[in-house]
Amino acid sequence: DAKTTQPPSMDCAEGRAANLPCNHSTISGNEYVYWYRQIHSQGPQYIIHGLKNNETNEMASLIITEDRKSSTLILPHATLRDTAVYYCIAHSGNTPLVFGKGTRLSVIA
Amino acid sequence: NAGVTQTPKFRILKIGQSMTLQCTQDMNHNYMYWYRQDPGMGLKLIYYSVGAGITDKGEVPNGYNVSRSTTEDFPLRLELAAPSQTSVYFCASTKSRTGVNEQFFGPGTRLTVL
Repeated sequence: DAKTTQPPSMDCAEGRAANLPCNHSTISGNEYVYWYRQIHSQGPQYIIHGLKNNETNEMASLIITEDRKSSTLILPHATLRDTAVYYCIAHSGNTPLVFGKGTRLSVIA
Repeated sequence: NAGVTQTPKFRILKIGQSMTLQCTQDMNHNYMYWYRQDPGMGLKLIYYSVGAGITDKGEVPNGYNVSRSTTEDFPLRLELAAPSQTSVYFCASTKSRTGVNEQFFGPGTRLTVL
């Protein structure tokens, strides 16, 4: 799996959009970009994934650059319950995911 | 569906004791995984299984054993517990599909070895 780079921490005001960046400059053509999050003490939770096109679901939007070397996870209206560690993972197939340290997002009232 | 369930939620062991962490999924997933997470760190893979009867080592397998006799269950065995095994253990599973790999995680087992 390609290595990903994320900032260690970010703050976001409640109600504002949270934009979490991820660099994956060595991503290969068959690797998807996955985002998971881990709320304190809980198991990681799948958020969204994408290959080339931008994706949106009920939780978030994923913007992938045209060259696929970076992506941004967008939480459109962050709430206090979105405070968590967010992991960006470049991955293909069914081999185990490799988790880095992620970005610790703090949503502030 | 209950998803991925793990027992126990918490456990304290003495050095040298052994125990089995249980993991069960009811989603008919082929792939199952065991991770450990130390404080402030990301998850590290211990063992994984691609189907009943098949297991393989991950990044940190030493001190652990697994078995996969059924599709649903994937127990993790600790022999001769050591303080270095104090951690939170997560079990996960995924369906065997080409390309997409959404993993479902259990709630975790918090283990302390004293």
